[in-house]
Amino acid sequence: DTAVSQTPKYLVTQMGNDKSIKCEQNLGHDTMYWYKQDSKKFLKIMFSYNNKELIINETVPNRFSPKSPDKAHLNLHINSLELGDSAVYFCASSQKAGGVVEQYFGPGTRLTVT
Amino acid sequence: GENVEQHPSTLSVQEGDSAVIKCTYSDSASNYFPWYKQELGKRPQLIIDIRSNVGEKKDQRIAVTLNKTAKHFSLHITETQPEDSAVYFCAAGYSSASKIIFGSGTRLSIRP
Repeated sequence: DTAVSQTPKYLVTQMGNDKSIKCEQNLGHDTMYWYKQDSKKFLKIMFSYNNKELIINETVPNRFSPKSPDKAHLNLHINSLELGDSAVYFCASSQKAGGVVEQYFGPGTRLTVT
Repeated sequence: GENVEQHPSTLSVQEGDSAVIKCTYSDSASNYFPWYKQELGKRPQLIIDIRSNVGEKKDQRIAVTLNKTAKHFSLHITETQPEDSAVYFCAAGYSSASKIIFGSGTRLSIRP
């Protein structure tokens, strides 16, 4: 069974468009995250939710807006897409919030903005 | 804030030889140090972690060492195999933090 899933796997779109990426975890975890991985492979945390409450909001443009309808789902909406938004976006989850627990990553969504 | 530096950025070793990746962290409160492996086109996955109450941990061909005084920790892979080729990330975290901090990654290539 898939633990952390994301849709879509690939997303190709033009500058200026608005798009969403969805994430779901069936592990019963309380905490979910969004990471951005650029072409140099650096993993940069963007947001984290614990029991639907936003607990991490890194320096990310306002065009990015996360939404957690319940603790098993965390979606990412991006407005007015720019070329620099091209990256792989990973969703992750952990049993609880904190810096001492394993994070389980989704398969990633490769976003290409043309 | 917390910073994790990882070296080298790329590493190429002969199959069968050992590989060592090193990381340093800045926040002395850090007490959890995981290592993630990311194969090409795949998701990062935890391969081993160590907590600050131990200095070394082994799991078959991989081992991690921790020097809290120097704020260093390292990943050692012995008898490397082609399937060890991947990007490896170190990370550091502590109990009251809400996140872990990842290093910049090491691309390990195993030469046949």
